[in-house]
Parts: sequence; structure tokens; C-alpha cells
Amino acid sequence: AQKVTQAQTEISVVEKEDVTLDCVYETRDTTYYLFWYKQPPSGELVFLIRRNSFDEQNEISGRYSWNFQKSTSSFNFTITASQVVDSAVYFCALSGPGGTSYGKLTFGQGTILTVHP
Amino acid sequence: DTAVSQTPKYLVTQMGNDKSIKCEQNLGHDTMYWYKQDSKKFLKIMFSYNNKELIINETVPNRFSPKSPDKAHLNLHINSLELGDSAVYFCASSSGIGSGGETQYFGPGTRLLVL
Repeated sequence: AQKVTQAQTEISVVEKEDVTLDCVYETRDTTYYLFWYKQPPSGELVFLIRRNSFDEQNEISGRYSWNFQKSTSSFNFTITASQVVDSAVYFCALSGPGGTSYGKLTFGQGTILTVHP
Repeated sequence: DTAVSQTPKYLVTQMGNDKSIKCEQNLGHDTMYWYKQDSKKFLKIMFSYNNKELIINETVPNRFSPKSPDKAHLNLHINSLELGDSAVYFCASSSGIGSGGETQYFGPGTRLLVL
């Protein structure tokens, strides 16, 4: 069975602080995919990043960066110089190869990030 | 312009009623999904369809029945609504399930409140 754990339920920071959101996953698949989604107060789910299990390179996109470590089954997300607009619920998700899980996304519980001005 | 759209955005109804939520995607994707987000924000898959064929049915009560008239549409019918059905329902789509792990793009959600 697949499982995603986001141990931080809520994080509160002041603008311009860096913040890291943790994500730990469990799977028996050797091929799998990891995702981060953002859910702002308006409610929609916005795709941020997709990573496959064979690509452990870290990724940076503007103020966002992701650290994937298979050795610790973690896929952490860092926001540098946070802004008020980053306030949202962030979800980490896991999916297996098409033959087994048929694209099913298993989500973590979400981390509520509040950035104060 | 909208990639994945859902109607209605809000749905308030009485217990025991039957209601439908519609979803359409214009991304040319082959696979569509329904997810339920509960009051604690937890997201869980309910169904997925690939080219109008049911692929995943995640132990959802029989009162919930998805219908896919074509691969661009996946509607959700709910019979005999119960208080516990109150949630936000998200539709999503992805390009296919061949190799797995395709990115799913979500609709704006339908907030259902059962009174």
C-alpha cells in the first residue's frame, strides 16, 4: 500500500523567511511518481511539480525548490523568501506505475502554510 | 480557455435528494478522475475512467455513480444524499495511464452541502 505523510499540519512564517515543507512516502513500487500541489484560499488545486523515482536531481523553479532523497523516502519542498501569496495548503502526492495503481494519486494530509506580512 | 471545468461550483441540497455534478476537460486527455476532499482537507480518489471505461472504483457507496458519455466528460451522480456526503468534489484529468504517473490537472471543485 502507498502512504504519504506530511507531518507538519500548520506552519506560520513571516514574509521573506525561508520555509521547508516535509513529505515522507512509503511504497513497494520501484517505479513511482511524486507530486506537489498547492491549494490557495480560493480552493482550486494547482500542480507544482512531478518527479519520477529514477530522477533524484533537485529542482529549482524561481523561489521554489524540491529535494528528493530516495534513501530517506522524502520529497521536501522549500520556498525561499516567502510571500503572502504563498499562503495555501500544500499537498504532496504519490502515484505508482500505470499497471498497478492505474494513475491513482495518494495524497498526504496537507500542510497549511500561512505567511504573515 | 478553462482546462478542466465543473458545474455547479456550489450545491446546497436536502438529505435524500439526488444530484449530479458535471465535469468537462478540453485538454484532449484520456483519463478522468473524481476525488473527494473532506472537511479536514483530506483528498481521496473515488473513481477514474480511461476512454469511457471504469478503471478505479475506490470502495465508494453504490449511491455514487460516475458516467462518462465521452472521454472529455465525466459526470458524478449521487442518489439519496446523506449528511456525510458534504465535501468538496474535484474532477481531474490526465493524458493516460499507459506508463503511469501522468500529471493530473484538477477542476475548480464543487462544494456540496447536504442539509
